[in-house]
Amino acid sequence: DIQMTQSPSSLSASVGDRVTITCQASQDISNYLNWYQQKPGKAPKLLIYDASNLETGVPSRFSGSGSGTDFTFTISSLQPEDIATYYCQQYDNLPITFGPGTKVDIK
Amino acid sequence: QVTLKESGPVLVKPTETLTLTCTVSGFSLSNARMGVSWIRQPPGKALEWLAHIFSNDEKSYSTSLKSRLTISKDTSKSQVVLTMTNMDPVDTATYYCARIPRVGYYWFDPWGQGTLVTVSS
Repeated sequence: DIQMTQSPSSLSASVGDRVTITCQASQDISNYLNWYQQKPGKAPKLLIYDASNLETGVPSRFSGSGSGTDFTFTISSLQPEDIATYYCQQYDNLPITFGPGTKVDIK
Repeated sequence: QVTLKESGPVLVKPTETLTLTCTVSGFSLSNARMGVSWIRQPPGKALEWLAHIFSNDEKSYSTSLKSRLTISKDTSKSQVVLTMTNMDPVDTATYYCARIPRVGYYWFDPWGQGTLVTVSS
């Protein structure tokens, strides 16, 4: 199985800050990498698919990049409603695997 | 509007078999391009993919849980069913179903609200 790691595991930032989360795969997964946002008590929501494609309706302050084994998720200007845990997920090889998550809160 | 809703027991005893149902609306399980996955999340922990099924009955399972899982569908009822045998307290989790919008492109959108299953005697 492909192992996914994320860093940091948690972060605190101020409103308006640029926030960056990294996700690393244990082997080359091309661009088969998705990002989800999960707010407390809610189901996850797809934000980005195939590493860099913004899902319809998702604010443009969210972005993703990377390929191979190293990926980045960015919030260009953190908003109070972005408080959540963010997960990466690979689908280059079955079984599908998720990263451990990054919890983002407001400083 | 595409929606999915999970249903099943809130509490199961150790060694029992869990049966969960995902009822979908807004799309058809006979749609050749779409599938449904089950994903779970223990309290305070990360997401774990369990299984998926497509309209042609193609199925895939988690490596670690494969021996305990069975996924099936009833297209006429718009339902996908997941059974998990020999339940253990470590299987306590919120269980989600989610749509796979395109075969071969395994992202999940949207998700159901989830159902919390507790395993305890």
